[in-house]
Amino acid sequence: GAGVSQSPSNKVTEKGKDVELRCDPISGHTALYWYRQRLGQGLEFLIYFQGNSAPDKSGLPSDRFSAERTGESVSTLTIQRTQQEDSAVYLCASSYRTSGVETQYFGPGTRLLVL
Amino acid sequence: AQSVTQLDSHVSVSEGTPVLLRCNYSSSYSPSLFWYVQHPNKGLQLLLKYTSAATLVKGINGFEAEFKKSETSFHLTKPSAHMSDAAEYFCVVTMNTGFQKLVFGTGTRLLVSP
Repeated sequence: GAGVSQSPSNKVTEKGKDVELRCDPISGHTALYWYRQRLGQGLEFLIYFQGNSAPDKSGLPSDRFSAERTGESVSTLTIQRTQQEDSAVYLCASSYRTSGVETQYFGPGTRLLVL
Repeated sequence: AQSVTQLDSHVSVSEGTPVLLRCNYSSSYSPSLFWYVQHPNKGLQLLLKYTSAATLVKGINGFEAEFKKSETSFHLTKPSAHMSDAAEYFCVVTMNTGFQKLVFGTGTRLLVSP
């Protein structure tokens, strides 16, 4: 079946502009996560959705970052007034739980470059 | 708090020789542990997961990992490397409570030479 999809795959923007990144989770997955991966590093947790509510936003780096989710469907991550340090790959994952164990499935990511 | 240490940033092997990627974890609770692989310009793919059932976990592509509580380790192994195994490997820990905030190691790049 279809996996997690993200768009755009690449985004180049100028410092100070706003960007919007989109994630389409696997159908039926109630949980959705956003991560950031800087060059040569592991993933940093940004935010978690259960349905359309976000119980944990603790990973968002600043108030320039926000995210929304429509029901148990699409999510958008918005970065306002982008800075060069926002350049990274932004990964989305959706998950399901079976036998008490949750497994996350990742999308291909959006590569963001802020000039 | 949970954390993961991947002891090697790079591992180089020859095709056909064994692979060992080391991972040590720290967790206050009974952890779930995962290995993910990331090929260049591709998304993360789940290799295998440990969830307090069998301590020896078999994954895809011939990989396996053994959970050793006494050593707080979860090393990834494969008997014989293939060229297609060249990728970045991430060891990941999480708690089995509430939602699943994954804590990633910094990754180990596996290089496979002919």
